[in-house]
Amino acid sequence: DSGVTQTPKHLITATGQRVTLRCSPRSGDLSVYWYQQSLDQGLQFLIQYYNGEERAKGNILERFSAQQFPDLHSELNLSSLELGDSALYFCASTGTGRDTQYFGPGTRLTVL
Amino acid sequence: AQTVTQSQPEMSVQEAETVTLSCTYDTSESDYYLFWYKQPPSRQMILVIRQEAYKQQNATENRFSVNFQKAAKSFSLKISDSQLGDAAMYFCAYRSRYGGSQGNLIFGKGTKLSVKP
Repeated sequence: DSGVTQTPKHLITATGQRVTLRCSPRSGDLSVYWYQQSLDQGLQFLIQYYNGEERAKGNILERFSAQQFPDLHSELNLSSLELGDSALYFCASTGTGRDTQYFGPGTRLTVL
Repeated sequence: AQTVTQSQPEMSVQEAETVTLSCTYDTSESDYYLFWYKQPPSRQMILVIRQEAYKQQNATENRFSVNFQKAAKSFSLKISDSQLGDAAMYFCAYRSRYGGSQGNLIFGKGTKLSVKP
């Protein structure tokens, strides 16, 4: 158990819909990273938050957004969903000055 | 931009034998971290081993060790005494030493390891 939690574990929805994925980092970790794992694109970095502020953006679509709340949990919002958004979404956390990221169990999103 | 390449999509090893997974990377930075993550069928990403680029000594964690060749930009993972539970996808990952906007992991495509009883 990495100490990072993600909910829900599975999500099935239809095209055009909007979903929210939730992540709670390890106790004391201020940084949260979101990654997408798909068959064709592999593991890709989406976005990073540090202590409530956006720190870095990767290959994140404009339809996707995220935020980190004062209690440090983070949410990834995916809207106008397309079939190609079906993937495993991971969040990872790390402490200040630390280099190792610990991953949550992931949320498997299926868009029908 | 940094890239990570795993040239072996699939590997197979006999139980109790040794196997080496390859990883090469490209970067212009001199300071960085390298990682191997394991992803079993449960899909959980599990850290296997970590290497700091400024340390010449190869990292070791029990049956797992790396061969880090900085000049060649190579970072291979050796699994000794392979066990059935080692069967998984293995991902090599790079991270800049300096966090902030460069703190995310860059992953290779992965190597699927099968362990034969």
